[in-house]
Amino acid sequence: QLRLQESGPGLVKPSETLSLTCTVSGASISSTNYYWGWIRQPPGKGLEWIGNIYYSGSTYYNPSLKSRVTISLDTSKNQFSLKLSSVTAADTAMYYCARAGTGNYEFVDYWGQGALVTVSS
Amino acid sequence: EIVMTQSPATLSVSPGERATLSCRTSQSVSSNLAWHQQKPGQAPRLLIYGASTRATGIPARFSGSGSGTEFTLTISSLQSEDFAVYYCQQYNNWPLTFGQGTKVEIK
Repeated sequence: QLRLQESGPGLVKPSETLSLTCTVSGASISSTNYYWGWIRQPPGKGLEWIGNIYYSGSTYYNPSLKSRVTISLDTSKNQFSLKLSSVTAADTAMYYCARAGTGNYEFVDYWGQGALVTVSS
Repeated sequence: EIVMTQSPATLSVSPGERATLSCRTSQSVSSNLAWHQQKPGQAPRLLIYGASTRATGIPARFSGSGSGTEFTLTISSLQSEDFAVYYCQQYNNWPLTFGQGTKVEIK
């Protein structure tokens, strides 16, 4: 059974960098069939795709966040990570890690439980 | 980016009744549309992909239809465990985008 679990600080100060890690169990992030991505949902708002990474290390970032986002892989730990720099209160959200297929299957098929990150001094 | 519009925002339905949820996209996504269900405190889960294909383990009372810009998720006879928020997601263009969600609540 595939499981994705987010971890990281729940409180980040404005202008600092938000860092989250997703630990994957039940599947290898080195698979050629999947992307590994991050999605967020601010309180009371919709879901936003942040970006994703492929086993090769190639990345895609949402243009709305591209200048501040870095997603990386650690295949030895079967983890991938998100860094979002220069955060403001607008970055307060539930952050989900997720898996999406490749080719004609680029929908999210598994989600993590989510990690609430609050940006506040 | 493709904008997704779901309606209604909230749907009040009695157990055993049919629920019909709509999702509209700002441009054609062909059949590259998925539906996800989220219950409070739980991870979302995939219900439907390819507009009409049920994901593994999803009961037959869930069905999806549509193509292009208009899509529908139907729950034929609502069970207690179906009261949740439902999101549509397009995967025809990057960035992947989601609707705002429809909350299905007990009437």
